[in-house]
Amino acid sequence: DAKTTQPTSMDCAEGRAANLPCNHSTISGNEYVYWYRQIHSQGPQYIIHGLKNNETNEMASLIITEDRKSSTLILPHATLRDTAVYYCIAGGGTSYGKLTFGQGTILTVHP
Amino acid sequence: DTAVSQTPKYLVTQMGNDKSIKCEQNLGHDTMYWYKQDSKKFLKIMFSYNNKELIINETVPNRFSPKSPDKAHLNLHINSLELGDSAVYFCASSQAPGTGNNEQFFGPGTRLTVL
Repeated sequence: DAKTTQPTSMDCAEGRAANLPCNHSTISGNEYVYWYRQIHSQGPQYIIHGLKNNETNEMASLIITEDRKSSTLILPHATLRDTAVYYCIAGGGTSYGKLTFGQGTILTVHP
Repeated sequence: DTAVSQTPKYLVTQMGNDKSIKCEQNLGHDTMYWYKQDSKKFLKIMFSYNNKELIINETVPNRFSPKSPDKAHLNLHINSLELGDSAVYFCASSQAPGTGNNEQFFGPGTRLTVL
């Protein structure tokens, strides 16, 4: 899996958009960008993934740059329940499902 | 209905003991995984099984032995427990990897404490 770099922590006001950046400059052509989050002591939860195109689902949007070297996860209207560690992972494809979790970004949503 | 379940949720035991953690998924997935999250919160993959066949083994000590009786179950047996084995162990499942849709569903975790 390609290495990813994320800020250690970020803050966001409740109701505002949370934009979480991720660098994955060594991503290979068949690797996807996955985002997961882990709310305190719970199992990680899948959020979204993409290969080249921007993606949107009921939880978030994923913006991938044209060169695929970085991406941004957008939570359009953050709530207190979105406070969690967010992991950006470059992998999957043909790697037998191996996901390499880094340190992630601790997102704190404030009232 | 719980998608991925693990038992027990908490496990406290003495060094040197042998223990097992069970995992079951009712999602019809072909692939199951075991992850370990240590005290520093790093989440690392240990094993992966696809249709009862081992496909990932991340240089885990051979005291750890996964067993998959069928594709809905992946149990983790640990022999001669050591203090360093204390961690939270997560089970996960997904559809067949390599398809680009590697959405993994995680269980609630088993907190293992070795005294």
